[in-house]
Parts: sequence; structure tokens; C-alpha cells
Amino acid sequence: SAVISQKPSRDICQRGTSLTIQCQVDSQVTMMFWYRQQPGQSLTLIATANQGSEATYESGFVIDKFPISRPNLTFSTLTVSNLSPEDSSIYLCSVYLGTSSYEQYFGPGTRLTVT
Amino acid sequence: DQQVKQNSPSLSVQEGRISILNCDYTNSMFDYFLWYKKYPAEGPTFLISISSIKDKNEDGRFTVFLNKSAKHLSLHIVPSQPGDSAVYFCAAHSGYALNFGKGTSLLVTP
Repeated sequence: SAVISQKPSRDICQRGTSLTIQCQVDSQVTMMFWYRQQPGQSLTLIATANQGSEATYESGFVIDKFPISRPNLTFSTLTVSNLSPEDSSIYLCSVYLGTSSYEQYFGPGTRLTVT
Repeated sequence: DQQVKQNSPSLSVQEGRISILNCDYTNSMFDYFLWYKKYPAEGPTFLISISSIKDKNEDGRFTVFLNKSAKHLSLHIVPSQPGDSAVYFCAAHSGYALNFGKGTSLLVTP
């Protein structure tokens, strides 16, 4: 398994501002993912962040709104830009360690509230 | 379009009894199915998985059953304990991604 930490754990932001979320892993991993969980909804994949390449975004998510950095094999950031109340969600990072059953290990999440 | 569905938002079970959480899916290309448990203010924790070529996988008190013809899987917890109270997510793997259901909130009462 992997130990994953996220900062901040929660934040309240004003409309129109941005929030950058950090994800730190205790071991080197190739594949990292960013998810969003809106209230009462499932976890939705935003993008896959592999070190050394551009992030791959899922349908409905764009780089201008959700820029991602992956400077090394243990760290990634997700920025949520130009915040609106609809961006109020829990944002989670996860890692895949290459197991045959494809499980991902998740960080504790960042709870964002936009006012 | 939701490819993984958990139609029961909540479930309440007495301690010591069996908890059965259900999950349906629509994509026949999923090759692995996973269950996660999530406590408040924590990230989801991997619980158990099953390959699409199997129909049962057991790990201690947790057993997952897969019915491919019905595109249905279930998680059985026996015996249920108060510490099992959490939200359980069903997930399915295809390609590089995990597709999650909306979760079922399980409450195990003493």
C-alpha cells in the first residue's frame, strides 16, 4: 500500500479565486489520479497525472480549469481555477501501484467550499 | 452516464447479522470489480476485489459475489460489526480508470 497526504484538508474560498491542492506519496509511483466527489455523488475521475508527461483529462474536465503539475514521482498538485459554488466538492488524489487487481490508494481528500 | 450503480443509498443491519451491499453495472468490458470503504473525513480504503473471470472471492468476514450474466455483484459482511459502519463504494476497472458507484451508507447497530 501507500501513505498519501493532502493539503489542505479543507478550505473555504471566494468565488473567482483559485485553490491549489497538494498530494504527497511516501513512495515513488508512476500513476497518480485526481478525483472529485460532489455532494451525494460518486467519485469522478478528473485526470491522470503521470510524471514526465502532460496530464490526461477526462471528458468534461479541461486544463484551464483544472491545471495539474507532476514534478516528480512522489508529488502532484491540482489547481481548481476561477472558483464557482458548483466547484464545492471533495477532491481526492490516488495512486496505482501496479497490482493485478488495479486497486488505487487514496489520500484523505480536500473539502472545498466556495462562497 | 452512470456505468456502475448502487441503488440503495443506505442500509441498516444489527450487529452479528449479515450485511449485503449490492452493485449493478452496464459495461461488459469491466475486467475487475472492487469494493471500497469510506469513513467520514477519510479517503476511500480498498477492501476486496474480484476478477471478472471469478464468481466469488473471500477475505475474512468479507465475500464478494459476481454474477456476470446479470451484471451484478454483491458484498457480504458476516458477521457485521459496529466498526463496519461506513459508506461502501463499488468500483469497476476498465483500461486505466476506476468507475465508481454513488455508495451505500451502512449502519450496524448494537
